[in-house]
Amino acid sequence: SQQGEEDPQALSIQEGENATMNCSYKTSINNLQWYRQNSGRGLVHLILIRSNEREKHSGRLRVTLDTSKKSSSLLITASRAADTASYFCATDDTGGFKTIFGAGTRLFVKA
Amino acid sequence: SQTIHQWPATLVQPVGSPLSLECTVEGTSNPNLYWYRQAAGRGLQLLFYSVGIGQISSEVPQNLSASRPQDRQFILSSKKLLLSDSGFYLCAWSALGPHLLFGPGTRLTVL
Repeated sequence: SQQGEEDPQALSIQEGENATMNCSYKTSINNLQWYRQNSGRGLVHLILIRSNEREKHSGRLRVTLDTSKKSSSLLITASRAADTASYFCATDDTGGFKTIFGAGTRLFVKA
Repeated sequence: SQTIHQWPATLVQPVGSPLSLECTVEGTSNPNLYWYRQAAGRGLQLLFYSVGIGQISSEVPQNLSASRPQDRQFILSSKKLLLSDSGFYLCAWSALGPHLLFGPGTRLTVL
């Protein structure tokens, strides 16, 4: 079953704008991850935030985590056409072996 | 360096035919291994995972099976394919943490 649900399902923005994607999950987690998938390719890990962290940065990426609301957001600043991809949040199970993915947000950045 | 291989890249099979997809990992030992399936435009569904040789955990009961005959080899099989088995199959591995590294995927079309 899916643990994370992303919102919106699709997002279209102009190059240079910021893109914000949200993820909600249902059960307690140890960490939350964000992945990127270019069309027809495997997923690439972007960033991991632990349950005791509230915010994390990596380059143009900013991730927040609110465990009280069971939600996370991914912000991509100054977007580029090359950022066009699907973005997925993923959470672990209590045993730590399984990583469960949401349905993803499709981001389209227009040049 | 650590790499993950999947083959074949694409496969078209008739309904009722058998299936064997192979995944191998290089540059690490005793990885956790995973098979995910992705329907067109959708999120990832965890099918199987393995934490050691000969150990398989199944997440979704269906006509697929998995085996891990060697430490860094993970095989997905079916005796008789169904139309609903079409999708993009992704192999992934993790070592000490939850961060998954994905292979390039196999696109399976069942006709």
